Amino acid sequence: GAVVSQHPSWVICKSGTSVKIECRSLDFQATTMFWYRQFPKQSLMLMATSNEGSKATYEQGVEKDKFLINHASLTLSTLTVTSAHPEDSSFYICSAVGGGAAEQFFGPGTRLTVL
Amino acid sequence: AQSVSQHNHHVILSEAASLELGCNYSYGGTVNLFWYVQYPGQHLQLLLKYFSGDPLVKGIKGFEAEFIKSKFSFNLRKPSVQWSDTAEYFCAVTDSGGYQKVTFGTGTKLQVIP
Repeated sequence: GAVVSQHPSWVICKSGTSVKIECRSLDFQATTMFWYRQFPKQSLMLMATSNEGSKATYEQGVEKDKFLINHASLTLSTLTVTSAHPEDSSFYICSAVGGGAAEQFFGPGTRLTVL
Repeated sequence: AQSVSQHNHHVILSEAASLELGCNYSYGGTVNLFWYVQYPGQHLQLLLKYFSGDPLVKGIKGFEAEFIKSKFSFNLRKPSVQWSDTAEYFCAVTDSGGYQKVTFGTGTKLQVIP
C-alpha cells in the first residue's frame, strides 16, 4: 500500500519558537495533502488542505499565519507552526491522496510539545 | 456540511464477544465511507471502505460494515473480538464528488478484556 511518512515523530520546543513538520509520500505522487490535529481523546480535526503548487485552503478557525503550509512538490508538504505556544501542543497528522486512489493514506503523526 | 456521529464512546468487551459500533452520517449527496483503527501508539490504519456496490463490506482482521442508505448508517461489526482489537475506531466520510475532505467521527475506544 501507499506509504506516508512524517518527520519528526516527536518534537519539544520552547514557547515562541517555530517548528516545521514534514509530510512525505514515499511511493506515490500526492496531488493533495491534508493536515489534521488530534487532541487527546478526541477525533481528528482537519486544519487545511494543500494542493501541489497552490495555496492551502484552511478550515474555519485555523489561523493561516500561524500554521504555514507549503506543498512544494508532489511528494512533500510542510506544516510550520510559527511562534508556538503551549496551547499548540498536540498531535499533528498528515494524509495524502494520489496515484489514482480515492482514499487518503495517513502518516504516523508528529507529537508537538511546547514548553 | 458533512457530519459523522459515533454513539459509543467507550466499549468494553470480553474476548470472543461480538462487536457492533454505530456510525451515522449526515450529508445530502453521495458519499464514500470508511472505518479507521488506531492502535495504542500507532497511526491510523484503514480497516475497510465503501465506495459503491455491495453494501456489505469486508475489511481486514475479520471486520465488516454494512452501509444502509435509508438509515445513513455504516456500522462496524466483528463476530468475535480478540484482545488485540483493543484500539480506537473512527468512522469517516468523504464527498464522493472529488474533493476528498474527510470528516471523522469522534471515535470509539474499544477495550477487550482477556
